[in-house]
Amino acid sequence: SQQGEEDPQALSIQEGENATMNCSYKTSINNLQWYRQNSGRGLVHLILIRSNEREKHSGRLRVTLDTSKKSSSLLITASRAADTASYFCATVPSANSGAGSYQLTFGKGTKLSVIP
Amino acid sequence: EAGVVQSPRYKIIEKKQPVAFWCNPISGHNTLYWYRQNLGQGPELLIRYENEEAVDDSQLPKDRFSAERLKGVDSTLKIQPAELGDSAVYLCASSSRETGSYNEQFFGPGTRLTVL
Repeated sequence: SQQGEEDPQALSIQEGENATMNCSYKTSINNLQWYRQNSGRGLVHLILIRSNEREKHSGRLRVTLDTSKKSSSLLITASRAADTASYFCATVPSANSGAGSYQLTFGKGTKLSVIP
Repeated sequence: EAGVVQSPRYKIIEKKQPVAFWCNPISGHNTLYWYRQNLGQGPELLIRYENEEAVDDSQLPKDRFSAERLKGVDSTLKIQPAELGDSAVYLCASSSRETGSYNEQFFGPGTRLTVL
């Protein structure tokens, strides 16, 4: 079963613009991760944010986490054509969430198209 | 450093035939995962190994799917017999015990299975 729900399902922007993707989840988490998948390179880990963190940066990526709303957002600044891919959020449940083992549960993803 | 290796990359079979997928994780990674990704969806965990022990196989359809990880390194996932609904991409991932299952997973390129 899918834990996370990304929004929007698809996003098309011009090169140089910023792209924002959102993720909502259901159970309490230990951490939330964002992955990118394109046809050439498979799934690649982008960034991890722990439940006690609110914001994290990595290069052109900025991730926020609001555990009270059970939501996260991924911002890609100054987008490039090479950022075209599907982006997935994935959660690891906290030990006391009753959600079972420490598995990574993915959402359905946001398909980002960056137009040159 | 070599990444997670999977073979074959593509497989086309007729229904009721058997099929096997092979995975070689990153050297030194004790934890190995098999995921299935249906079209337009995020990956879903099938089974997780810690060394040679399957510690989470609750999502593995045991009537037709089997997996093994002999010697705690390479792993094989088998389907026998395959059904039309098994068409999907099968992903293998690994992670290091030092960082634990909570953290980053490294994915292989996947095997795209088509059942006719």
